[in-house]
Amino acid sequence: EVQLVESGGGVVRPGGSLRLSCAASGFTFDDYAMTWVRQAPGKGLEWVSGINWNGGATYYADSVKGRFTISRDSAKNSLYLQMSSLRAEDTALYHCARGPYARSPYWYFDLWGRGTLVTVSS
Amino acid sequence: EIVMTQSPATLSVSPGERVTLSCRASQSVSSGLAWYQQTPGQAPRLLIHGASTRATGIPARFSGSGSGTEFTLTISSLQSEDFAVYYCQQYSDWPRTTFGQGTKLEIK
Repeated sequence: EVQLVESGGGVVRPGGSLRLSCAASGFTFDDYAMTWVRQAPGKGLEWVSGINWNGGATYYADSVKGRFTISRDSAKNSLYLQMSSLRAEDTALYHCARGPYARSPYWYFDLWGRGTLVTVSS
Repeated sequence: EIVMTQSPATLSVSPGERVTLSCRASQSVSSGLAWYQQTPGQAPRLLIHGASTRATGIPARFSGSGSGTEFTLTISSLQSEDFAVYYCQQYSDWPRTTFGQGTKLEIK
């Protein structure tokens, strides 16, 4: 089955760190760019970060630049998001999503996971 | 940043009706526009990309149109499973991709 499954969410204090994981299965992970999109409770979708198919290019929203780091491991078919200096406004459900195939420039997302919840609270 | 504005915020409709959702971009995104559907507790699902191309497995009752700054998603005959929140996304300005705030379709 083609799917993405996130893990690693939890409750963390402001200023703390957390690492999210996304396990991909059912498709050739190395062929696709990947991305993280978050959704604050009761709110809409906000793009957070993306990484191209070979990990050679990474992209970040201004709201997380310098605090979050995206990476991927082809041997484990996994995507990661290392989050540090967390703030209350980072509280959200974090979805991983599949981006464009190989070198395609069209960054829409055709496969999504159900998300992992991150709560930043003292 | 390109701001995506969806209207209306909420739409009350009956099953079987035809419905049109609107998405407006603050500047031209050409055809770099996607639509997603999200039901409660579920992952978003890609419906349309390139403004008018249905994604794999999406029923023909879903159609997208528009270019530049004005886009629409039309559902020709609402089914019970279509009551959800719909989001548009512009990806023309990658990596500064942005989503609209969503339109909720609810049962009248």
